[in-house]
Amino acid sequence: DVKVTQSSRYLVKRTGEKVFLECVQDMDHENMFWYRQDPGLGLRLIYFSYDVKMKEKGDIPEGYSVSREKKERFSLILESASTNQTSMYLCASSSIPGTGLYSNQPQHFGDGTRLSIL
Amino acid sequence: AQKVTQAQTEISVVEKEDVTLDCVYETRDTTYYLFWYKQPPSGELVFLIRRNSFDEQNEISGRYSWNFQKSTSSFNFTITASQVVDSAVYFCALSEGRDDKIIFGKGTRLHILP
Repeated sequence: DVKVTQSSRYLVKRTGEKVFLECVQDMDHENMFWYRQDPGLGLRLIYFSYDVKMKEKGDIPEGYSVSREKKERFSLILESASTNQTSMYLCASSSIPGTGLYSNQPQHFGDGTRLSIL
Repeated sequence: AQKVTQAQTEISVVEKEDVTLDCVYETRDTTYYLFWYKQPPSGELVFLIRRNSFDEQNEISGRYSWNFQKSTSSFNFTITASQVVDSAVYFCALSEGRDDKIIFGKGTRLHILP
């Protein structure tokens, strides 16, 4: 089974701090994703990465950055945390699409990090 | 633009009843993929099913079944003989073409009452 591990289930930080959320997957997946989940808004994509050292902005990248130095690890960075970044953060990974119809592999998710910014 | 609508925000049913979760999608692509995920109270999203746009055959897996209808752009999910353990938030999602990104609906929170 695919295992996606997020470093913390709960995290409390203060406004202005630099915050690191870590995600590790053990299935050699090429793709990794960071989402935030808020009540009534569902999951929104922050950043994703197709390969080491590659990153692409998602729908809501403002206030965030990412780092992917190794294939298995994808870090989300809040440069200067603000209270509106209090949320549940979910990391996911998927394998690269193959040829033919059965590409677009499902994403496998970690348990999530509930981050509170005070 | 692609979009996924789950009109039911919250549903409550009594255990053993059947329940259908609705999902309507929008896409201009002829090749796309539809997904359902379950998020139990523990928080982890669990992948349930993927369906590609060329396969409209309905699927059954135990008490779960999925009805894909391209004519109405719907991909509905039915739980038969519901159980308390089915209580969760369920997300429908869409991926277009060969794009690895997935667009999620806002989810339907399902309560199964004992």
